[in-house]
Amino acid sequence: QVQLQQWGAGLLKPSETLSLTCAVYGGSFSGYYWSWIRQPPGKGLEWIGEINHSGSTNYNPSLKSRVTISVDTSKNQFSLKLSSVTAADTAVYYCARYCSGGSCYVGRRFFPGGSRMAPTHDAFDIWGQGTMVTVSS
Amino acid sequence: EIVLTQSPATLSLSPGERATLSCRASQSVSSYLAWYQQKPGQAPRLLIYDASNRATGIPARFSGSGSGTDFTLTISSLEPEDFAVYYCQQRSIFGPGTKVDIK
Repeated sequence: QVQLQQWGAGLLKPSETLSLTCAVYGGSFSGYYWSWIRQPPGKGLEWIGEINHSGSTNYNPSLKSRVTISVDTSKNQFSLKLSSVTAADTAVYYCARYCSGGSCYVGRRFFPGGSRMAPTHDAFDIWGQGTMVTVSS
Repeated sequence: EIVLTQSPATLSLSPGERATLSCRASQSVSSYLAWYQQKPGQAPRLLIYDASNRATGIPARFSGSGSGTDFTLTISSLEPEDFAVYYCQQRSIFGPGTKVDIK
């Protein structure tokens, strides 16, 4: 069973660089996009970016100039760096596995008379525990 | 860019009642929409994917429907543990959430 374990510094000063790492245990690292998502206190979810096992990345345009996501396939880990942080970057940061194109079988399709396993085309099926990052002087 | 709108923002119901949550996309997303449940202090949990498929371990009282731009998450009979915030998601976009709280 795949699990994500994340860690990193929880208290930063303005202008510093946020650095978090997420390790993937119990499953394949290839064939998926590995994502970072954040949630400011009391607010909704914001996608930060993603990386696959070969290092191909996609970033949220609103954060792209400050974000770097990297991968270490030898350790089944991926990392987030967010530079020049401000108080607006205070949030819980989650790592997550993104399943697309039928890459994951994480549930079932139900129909009259039965059900069958159904692949996922667009979902974050596994999440890390979250890391609270506070930016304060 | 696709925008997801969820309604209502808050739904106040009693245990045993039926909950109907809506998610509307600004343009067609086919059936590629997922729903998540989030409780305080916890990471979101995948409930429904591809609009109507139920993730492993999710109780049968949760169901999803819709396609194109209009989607619905239904909880047939609310259990005490179902009071939480629910988000819809398509690719890198999340809706603002619907809070289901106890009336």
